[in-house]
Amino acid sequence: GAGVSQTPSNKVTEKGKYVELRCDPISGHTALYWYRQSLGQGPEFLIYFQGTGAADDSGLPNDRFFAVRPEGSVSTLKIQRTERGDSAVYLCASSKTGLAGNYNEQFFGPGTRLTVL
Amino acid sequence: GDSVTQMEGPVTLSEEAFLTINCTYTATGYPSLFWYVQYPGEGLQLLLKATKADDKGSNKGFEATYRKETTSFHLEKGSVQVSDSAVYFCALSFYNAGNMLTFGGGTRLMVKP
Repeated sequence: GAGVSQTPSNKVTEKGKYVELRCDPISGHTALYWYRQSLGQGPEFLIYFQGTGAADDSGLPNDRFFAVRPEGSVSTLKIQRTERGDSAVYLCASSKTGLAGNYNEQFFGPGTRLTVL
Repeated sequence: GDSVTQMEGPVTLSEEAFLTINCTYTATGYPSLFWYVQYPGEGLQLLLKATKADDKGSNKGFEATYRKETTSFHLEKGSVQVSDSAVYFCALSFYNAGNMLTFGGGTRLMVKP
């Protein structure tokens, strides 16, 4: 079946611009996660959705970052006033649920490479 | 906060050599532990996991044992192949708190024929 997909695969933008990154999770997965991976480092958690709501956004670095998942499926990560330090690969993952008492494997998308010039 | 530390790479081995990649963690409580692998040009994939102390995760000839006393989860393989060349990430999560993953910095493995 189809895995997690992310678009675009690459995004080049200029400092100060606004960008949107899209994630299509595996059908039926209620939990969705965004991570950011800087060059040569491990992924860092940004935000977690359970259904339509952001259950944990403690990893968002500042208020320029925002994410939505209005219908509980596709999610969009939005970055305002981009800075060069935002350059990274943004990864999306989904799992059947993130609810307490259950472990469910997270399946990762291929990522969106964001470059801020 | 929670953190994962793994040995820095690159690790370069000849085919059929023994592999160990060290991973230690700091966490409040008892997390689940994971090894993820990222092959060239591909996305992150779960390699193996262990959800409680003394559990051994295994897959594709790789093994790791959850050691609570040393807070470690070292990855081992008895005989590596060229196809094992990839970046390996150790990670932890708490399944009673959303399952968000905390990753180590990654270790690049290069296996030469």
